Amino acid sequence: EIVLTQSPGTLSLSPGERATLSCRASQSVSSSYLAWYQQKPGQAPRLLIYGASSRATGIPDRFSGSGSGTDFTLTISRLEPEDFAVYYCQQYGSSTRYTFGQGTKLEIK
Amino acid sequence: EVQLVESGGGLVKPGGSLRLSCAASGFTFSSYSMNWVRQAPGKGLEWVSSISSSSSYIYYADSVKGRFTISRDNAKNSLYLQMNSLRAEDTAVYYCARDLYVSSGHDYWGQGTLVTVSS
Repeated sequence: EIVLTQSPGTLSLSPGERATLSCRASQSVSSSYLAWYQQKPGQAPRLLIYGASSRATGIPDRFSGSGSGTDFTLTISRLEPEDFAVYYCQQYGSSTRYTFGQGTKLEIK
Repeated sequence: EVQLVESGGGLVKPGGSLRLSCAASGFTFSSYSMNWVRQAPGKGLEWVSSISSSSSYIYYADSVKGRFTISRDNAKNSLYLQMNSLRAEDTAVYYCARDLYVSSGHDYWGQGTLVTVSS
C-alpha cells in the first residue's frame, strides 16, 4: 500500500506570500494519478489539481502542481485570504484504489 | 449544474446498520464512476469505496471490506452505501464524490451526511 506523507503539517504564512506544500509517496506514483484538494471548515473538499499538474475547472492560476515519482508539490504563488485552508494530496493505486495524505493546514501568520 | 445530495445519516448503535443515499443531478450519472469518502470528526479524508459507471468494478478500503456494500441505480441517478456491523470508528461525515474521469480524482462532492455510531 502506498502511503502519502504531507509536509509541513502546518504552514504559517501571510497574504501575498508564496506557499509550497509537499506530498511524498512511499513508492513511485504515476503522475496521472496524483491530485490535490482544498478543504475549508464545514465544507466538502474541492479538487484543485489532477494529473499532478492540471488545474481543475475554475481554479485560479496562482495554484500549480508539479512533481513526479515520489515527490509532488502544490504551489500557491501569491496567497489570497481565501486560500487559508487544509490541503490534501491523493493518489490512485490499482490495488488500494485511492489514498489521501494526512493534510497540510495553511494558516494566516 | 452538477449536484450531489447525500442522505440517510444519523445515530446508530454499534453493530447496527445504516443505508446512505446520494442523489445526483445535472450530469449523465451513468457515465461516471462514483465514490464514497469519509472524514471522522477533526480528522483527514479517507476513501471508502468506488463503483464504476456500469457497476462492473467495485472497490473497498480494507477498513470497511466485508461490512459495507456500494451500489448504484443509474435509472434513478442514485448511489448507495449499505453499512452493516457499524463500529465507533465508522463515525464520520460521509461524502459522495464523482470521478473526473477514471482514476483522476473527484471533481464534484456532496455536502456530506453525518453518521454517528454510539451506544
